[in-house]
Amino acid sequence: RKEVEQDPGPFNVPEGATVAFNCTYSNSASQSFFWYRQDCRKEPKLLMSVYSSGNEDGRFTAQLNRASQYISLLIRDSKLSDSATYLCVVTPRGGGTSYGKLTFGQGTILTVHP
Amino acid sequence: NAGVTQTPKFRILKIGQSMTLQCTQDMNHNYMYWYRQDPGMGLKLIYYSVGAGITDKGEVPNGYNVSRSTTEDFPLRLELAAPSQTSVYFCASSYFLEAEQFFGPGTRLTVL
Repeated sequence: RKEVEQDPGPFNVPEGATVAFNCTYSNSASQSFFWYRQDCRKEPKLLMSVYSSGNEDGRFTAQLNRASQYISLLIRDSKLSDSATYLCVVTPRGGGTSYGKLTFGQGTILTVHP
Repeated sequence: NAGVTQTPKFRILKIGQSMTLQCTQDMNHNYMYWYRQDPGMGLKLIYYSVGAGITDKGEVPNGYNVSRSTTEDFPLRLELAAPSQTSVYFCASSYFLEAEQFFGPGTRLTVL
């Protein structure tokens, strides 16, 4: 089983749609969780951190389910500019052989069309 | 602040050649990382550093070497380039391990 798994998509949605991505992780000791966004041929940039209580930033909502070991990203009212690859990132607790090993999912491709 | 800068942006190498990918950050971050990203794949950690003089292997270190003589610079050395090293290389830095990572624009390397 991969350490971090995402549905690669692509997800093709019309403007204004709501779309959700899930990401599962295998290491139950994982400490921190993030969603990054990567535009075509560009570097990844932090979209949002994922907190245990869930968090919202405008049209974006991130949730964490530790019991089932998955995180999710919900995008409401999709815009053309949301078209990108969304990367799930999981970091282990410090110490041991996993120290410093940040694990990226392969990314989920989102295309928003007019 | 320039953030994280990488040079060169593009490079074509012949098999067996060597080169150094440069990475510099001006945010005074202790943590720095090198990743490679193959088409359709996630980022794989090559090496990382927790401070000047301290480096350690990531997930895919074979064929690469790093050094960290200053807080700002974290060069990645490829010795004896192989076609399997064709990839996009990203350098990143962060204030601490679980903080946001800031990425450079990447170096696109092709080994023929």
